[in-house]
Amino acid sequence: EVQLLQSGAEVKKSGATVKISCKISGYTFTNFYIHWVRQAPGKGLEWMGLVDPQDGQGRYAEKFHARVALTADTSTDTAYMELSSLRSEDTALYYCATEGTSGSYYFDYWGQGTLITVSS
Amino acid sequence: DIVLTQSPDTLSLSPGERGTLSCRASQSVRSFLAWYQQRPGQPPRLLIFDTSNRATGVPARFTGSGSGTDYNLTISSLEPEDVAVYYCQQRSDWPPLTFGGGTKVEIK
Repeated sequence: EVQLLQSGAEVKKSGATVKISCKISGYTFTNFYIHWVRQAPGKGLEWMGLVDPQDGQGRYAEKFHARVALTADTSTDTAYMELSSLRSEDTALYYCATEGTSGSYYFDYWGQGTLITVSS
Repeated sequence: DIVLTQSPDTLSLSPGERGTLSCRASQSVRSFLAWYQQRPGQPPRLLIFDTSNRATGVPARFTGSGSGTDYNLTISSLEPEDVAVYYCQQRSDWPPLTFGGGTKVEIK
């Protein structure tokens, strides 16, 4: 059974940096890209970027390119999302998601979400 | 960026009723379109990929169709557990991968 287990909620001040994790089990970690999608309270879904766990290369939405770093640790089968220069608009639920049999760039499996709250 | 516009914002259906959700793209997405269901307090769940293929375990009452810029998700007979927000997503042209704004399905 594929499982994505995300780290716990974070509360940060404006301007700070946060790093959250996504532990993956149930398939070979390097088989699929790992994506990060966020959802502001009461709002829709927004794709932030992906990391290829085979070579660690990331691809980012232009909106986040300057502030986000996506990494993958093959020794622990864990992906990380680091977001810097936090502002109140970054308050959201952050999901990791991976691909599967549906094909690349769709999201077959999702983590439970990590709430990041940014306060001034 | 490809913009996906979903309609209606809210769809109210009686149990057993048929309903259709729409997703219109700002340019052709070449059938590279998926649908997700997000129940309250849950992460999204993949329902349909590449326009019309059901993901594993998805009931047959969910059907996807469309081409070019216009796509539909049809629920043939609404069940209470179908109450959720439904999102479309394209992978035709990226980055970024983009989602529609969502359609909320509720029980009338």
